[in-house]
Amino acid sequence: DAGVTQSPTHLIKTRGQHVTLRCSPISGHKSVSWYQQVLGQGPQFIFQYYEKEERGRGNFPDRFSARQFPNYSSELNVNALLLGDSALYLCASSLGAAWLNTEAFFGQGTRLTVV
Amino acid sequence: GESVGLHLPTLSVQEGDNSIINCAYSNSASDYFIWYKQESGKGPQFIIDIRSNMDKRQGQRVTVLLNKTVKHLSLQIAATQPGDSAVYFCAENMGDTGNQFYFGTGTSLTVIP
Repeated sequence: DAGVTQSPTHLIKTRGQHVTLRCSPISGHKSVSWYQQVLGQGPQFIFQYYEKEERGRGNFPDRFSARQFPNYSSELNVNALLLGDSALYLCASSLGAAWLNTEAFFGQGTRLTVV
Repeated sequence: GESVGLHLPTLSVQEGDNSIINCAYSNSASDYFIWYKQESGKGPQFIIDIRSNMDKRQGQRVTVLLNKTVKHLSLQIAATQPGDSAVYFCAENMGDTGNQFYFGTGTSLTVIP
């Protein structure tokens, strides 16, 4: 069975550009969460989507947006990229909205470098 | 502000010894905690979890201890193996925040053969 799939695996962008990151959850999972992991730090929560609705938003500027599609895949969009946006972007999928009752699985992430 | 932190950023242990990784949290409202293992180039991998109504939970070679009085969490790995070398994170969640978890900085565990 395929796990959480993220694309692309690596990406280099220039300051000011826009980027779209994609995530396909495990089959049957309806919740997708996005995390940003800066080098040397723990992941930081960005968004959670469940059944195509936003369920949570972390402390990120409006340049960050996301959506979830009918097939439960998700996109994370970042506008006006800054050097500080360079990080590993992780997607996690779970069956339900709350991890308390269901295990969540992380993808391998997209390594974004802004130059 | 609220934070999740780790006491030691790095830990080296001999193969076969037991490892203990510590984590401090400051949010008394947190009611669910997860330990993750992250190997180089990979996403975090679930190890074990514990709810705030428990003090201890055991898995295969791993035990998590929760001390709510001092807001401390620890992960014990028995008979540490080279494959256990990774960065370990604790993450806390307030029950009403869905999948919004707060991760600590992480502890890098190195197992010496």
